[in-house]
Amino acid sequence: AQSVAQPEDQVNVAEGNPLTVKCTYSVSGNPYLFWYVQYPNRGLQFLLKYITGDNLVKGSYGFEAEFNKSQTSFHLKKPSALVSDSALYFCAVRIKAGSYQLTFGKGTKLSVIP
Amino acid sequence: DTAVSQTPKYLVTQMGNDKSIKCEQNLGHDTMYWYKQDSKKFLKIMFSYNNKELIINETVPNRFSPKSPDKAHLNLHINSLELGDSAVYFCASSQVGGAANSPLHFGNGTRLTVT
Repeated sequence: AQSVAQPEDQVNVAEGNPLTVKCTYSVSGNPYLFWYVQYPNRGLQFLLKYITGDNLVKGSYGFEAEFNKSQTSFHLKKPSALVSDSALYFCAVRIKAGSYQLTFGKGTKLSVIP
Repeated sequence: DTAVSQTPKYLVTQMGNDKSIKCEQNLGHDTMYWYKQDSKKFLKIMFSYNNKELIINETVPNRFSPKSPDKAHLNLHINSLELGDSAVYFCASSQVGGAANSPLHFGNGTRLTVT
């Protein structure tokens, strides 16, 4: 079975500071990892994905994520937070290419304080 | 153009009623999904259709019945609505065929309130 853990329900960061939203995963095999963002009253929007290759992947809105196989983590990062980054962030894992099953973490609420 | 559109956006109804939510995608994807997001924002997959064929059918009461008339549409019909059905229901689509790893594209959700 595959699973994703987001250990923090909420992350608060001051505007302009770097932010990190944590994600760890558990799969039997090589994972395909995704980050999504959800703004209030909207659906989830894709931010970035890791499939293979470089462990640091870059995505939309200046976000990036680092894949760490030994720690089974895929933390989302941004060098300088904006107030507009405040939203709910979901990590997700797919066990293999062509798989229909995408498992989501429980979400982390990011609040960027002006 | 909206890539994944679902209607209605809000649905308020009484217990025992039957209701439907419609979803359409114009991305040419081969797979569509229904997800349920509860009050704690937890997302759980309900169904997945690939080229009109049911692929994923999670533990969902049989009062919930998906219907896919073609691969661009996936509707959700709910019979005998209960209070616990109140949630936000999201439709999504992706391209799975060809070993693609395309991300899911979500609609904006339907907020169902059962009174």
